[in-house]
This record gives sequence, structure tokens and C-alpha cells, in this order.
Amino acid sequence: NAGVTQTPKFRVLKTGQSMTLLCAQDMNHEYMYWYRQDPGMGLRLIHYSVGEGTTAKGEVPDGYNVSRLKKQNFLLGLESAAPSQTSVYFCASSSRVRGDTQYFGPGTRLTVL
Amino acid sequence: AQTVTQSQPEMSVQEAETVTLSCTYDTSESDYYLFWYKQPPSRQMILVIRQEAYKQQNATENRFSVNFQKAAKSFSLKISDSQLGDAAMYFCAYRAYSNYQLIWGAGTKLIIKP
Repeated sequence: NAGVTQTPKFRVLKTGQSMTLLCAQDMNHEYMYWYRQDPGMGLRLIHYSVGEGTTAKGEVPDGYNVSRLKKQNFLLGLESAAPSQTSVYFCASSSRVRGDTQYFGPGTRLTVL
Repeated sequence: AQTVTQSQPEMSVQEAETVTLSCTYDTSESDYYLFWYKQPPSRQMILVIRQEAYKQQNATENRFSVNFQKAAKSFSLKISDSQLGDAAMYFCAYRAYSNYQLIWGAGTKLIIKP
């Protein structure tokens, strides 16, 4: 049981490049989330999904797109990376039970030059 | 808007002693959940303890306990018998019953002195 996994763990991009972060969970969770963590701040929600084929915007969605084609996977895309997107990205998942705990992946450190 | 405030950017404690980390929050909701997460240098976000607002009894998990004061909107974490492995960033988080989003505090860095 791997829980929540993220690939890659590290990535360096040049401004304007694109990339996709992959999140996978094996807990059969309905809900999945993408957060970013910047120095001196708590996590901020980028996008989330309450089920396969559905996504919604969180607190800071601009510059990102997401897709949830399979229940176990949640992809975060950056179409044209900007230095302001340098951050650590976390994926999380939870069941549909009200108030269920969110379980986190190990994070991806992204640097945009 | 809901907010979570951790007023202590950094705390230090001697090994084996007790330390309390503070968290306050602002909400107009009556039903919600509160969490403490630990983030060691490995970056992994680990749930330490959670509290349902409708429960008056304070949650405990081994050496970790909370002091939940609903009227004061305060949710502090007490770590007893501190161990070197407790050194980490600690984040307080809030989630309304009606919402999916976790609202996070800025974190408190806990240093354990041997």
C-alpha cells in the first residue's frame, strides 16, 4: 500500500516551458487535491476533484490546469511556466466521508528559471 | 473569510520536556474540523491529530494532545516528553463541514534541544 505518490520529485523548468505533475493514490479515495507550499506560508489549494471526470478551482488556480481521467490519478499541468510558480507542490486525497483526513504525497519541488 | 493564525514562527524545547504550540482561527461556521500536521525535513505532511468541533472532549494521540476552546476559537497542540524526532514544522489547519478546502496556518518550526 503506497498511499499517495507523486512524480517527479524534483524538476527545473525554464520560463515558458510546460510540464505535468502526476499524482496517484491506491486508497480508492474519491477526492483529490493539488496544493502549493511557498516559504513562510501554509499550503494553498490550487484545484481539487470530487470524482473521476470532475475538477474544480481552489484558492490559486491561475496558470494551472488539471485532469482526472481515472479515479486513482490526478494530473496538474503548467502550460507556460513562470518564476512565480516556483514552489513545492503537494497532492492529497481523502474519502467522501465528511471531514475525512487528507493524506499527502511526498511533494514535488519545482523551480522555474 | 476563514483564516488560521499561528503566532509562533519558531519554538524550542528541551528534550523530554513539554511544549505547547498555539493556533487560532476565525470562522462563522458552527461545524468544522481542526487538524495538526507535522512536516519533517523530508517534506512529507503527516497528520498528528484531528478534532471535530462538535466534540467537547479534547483529542489525544499518545504524547500529543490538544486544548480546543471553541468559544475562543483556539486550538493549541501540546507535545509531552518531547523527542528529537518531533523536530519539524507544525501546521494547524481548518476545514468547514460544508467545504472540501483545508485552510492552513503559516506553520511553527519546532526545535528540540538535546
